[in-house]
Amino acid sequence: AQSVTQPDIHITVSEGASLELRCNYSYGATPYLFWYVQSPGQGLQLLLKYFSGDTLVQGIKGFEAEFKRSQSSFNLRKPSVHWSDAAEYFCAVRGQWGNTPLVFGKGTRLSVIA
Amino acid sequence: GAGVSQSPSNKVTEKGKDVELRCDPISGHTALYWYRQSLGQGLEFLIYFQGNSAPDKSGLPSDRFSAERTGGSVSTLTIQRTQQEDSAVYLCASSSLGRPTDTQYFGPGTRLTVL
Repeated sequence: AQSVTQPDIHITVSEGASLELRCNYSYGATPYLFWYVQSPGQGLQLLLKYFSGDTLVQGIKGFEAEFKRSQSSFNLRKPSVHWSDAAEYFCAVRGQWGNTPLVFGKGTRLSVIA
Repeated sequence: GAGVSQSPSNKVTEKGKDVELRCDPISGHTALYWYRQSLGQGLEFLIYFQGNSAPDKSGLPSDRFSAERTGGSVSTLTIQRTQQEDSAVYLCASSSLGRPTDTQYFGPGTRLTVL
């Protein structure tokens, strides 16, 4: 069965520090990969997505993610975190064919301290 | 409208009552999805509508849950005889054509509390 694992439930980083959020997936074939962010009381906003090609993808708000097929991973990174990045981050996968729904990880909550 | 809207934003109900949650997708989007976000379970797919095709109901947790989409636009998720375990945030998303590469745009959700 398809599944997404985000090993870190909660991460705290200092403003200006670098960030890496981990995501591992289990899927029958290479899926499409997504990162979403959810601020308190808000819906989910797409940060970036990977379909094919260059395994390093750039997203909004200065985020990037790298797809590593050998590790079944799609980790999210940001070189310098801002206080406004405090939110919940969700990794998700979807099949490349047919009308399959998004399968989400359980999320990582990011806190940013001064 | 600029984005996906949902109403009400909050709903408190008593166990055993029926509730209806509404979703207005982005104008012109043919695909509409319902997800549920609850503590411990994370985000779970419930149901998916694509144009005039029969909906994919494979994620509905029980027959107390149903959804319809009228005129290919607005959707209503109905939960009958609500139980406390139904307490969650119900999120709606839409995408332009429902293709795997299409971005799903999410609404702010309806927080349902069953007392």
